[in-house]
Amino acid sequence: GESVGLHLPTLSVQEGDNSIINCAYSNSASDYFIWYKQESGKGPQFIIDIRSNMDKRQGQRVTVLLNKTVKHLSLQIAATQPGDSAVYFCAERGRNYGQNFVFGPGTRLSVLP
Amino acid sequence: DTEVTQTPKHLVMGMTNKKSLKCEQHMGHRAMYWYKQKAKKPPELMFVYSYEKLSINESVPSRFSPECPNSSLLNLHLHALQPEDSALYLCASSEQGPYGYTFGSGTRLTVV
Repeated sequence: GESVGLHLPTLSVQEGDNSIINCAYSNSASDYFIWYKQESGKGPQFIIDIRSNMDKRQGQRVTVLLNKTVKHLSLQIAATQPGDSAVYFCAERGRNYGQNFVFGPGTRLSVLP
Repeated sequence: DTEVTQTPKHLVMGMTNKKSLKCEQHMGHRAMYWYKQKAKKPPELMFVYSYEKLSINESVPSRFSPECPNSSLLNLHLHALQPEDSALYLCASSEQGPYGYTFGSGTRLTVV
């Protein structure tokens, strides 16, 4: 399940299950979105991107969905593995941010054995 | 080479010290960035260099001074920092335009 509190929101899933991580972005003018994975002690790592003229994009075991009507982005991870445990950030880019990326608050994914 | 290399990995400095963080990439990227990340928070943009020129300074205090000596190198000079400046400092690079960033592993800075 998902919990939100004083600390980073955490999503706990059983190994082998599918994970869905959600992100509400703030700027309707944003035109490009990326999901990053950040493991402990490392920098963010690119997972998958999507442009605003698309609503779905698939990669290896990952799918990103974009709903511009409600300004919502989601990352689906199929058959979640222990190595998927990390903090996941969505990032949006647009004119309002000087064409640079602004990161969402992040979600910690914890994969249970 | 598809990496961004940051040195040092860890740094402890006193409030009167002067130190520098270094970042290097050999991907031919012409945009380079400094981000600051506090624990359990997302990275926050500090500086953007485009074609070796400073294009964005996100109201960062002058005790942080960036430098881009050439298209492969980015430095962050630190002077008279405060304990609240302790954080993970991330360097990133990208091609110009709507492309993702490649991040380094960061420098964990502790100001004592």
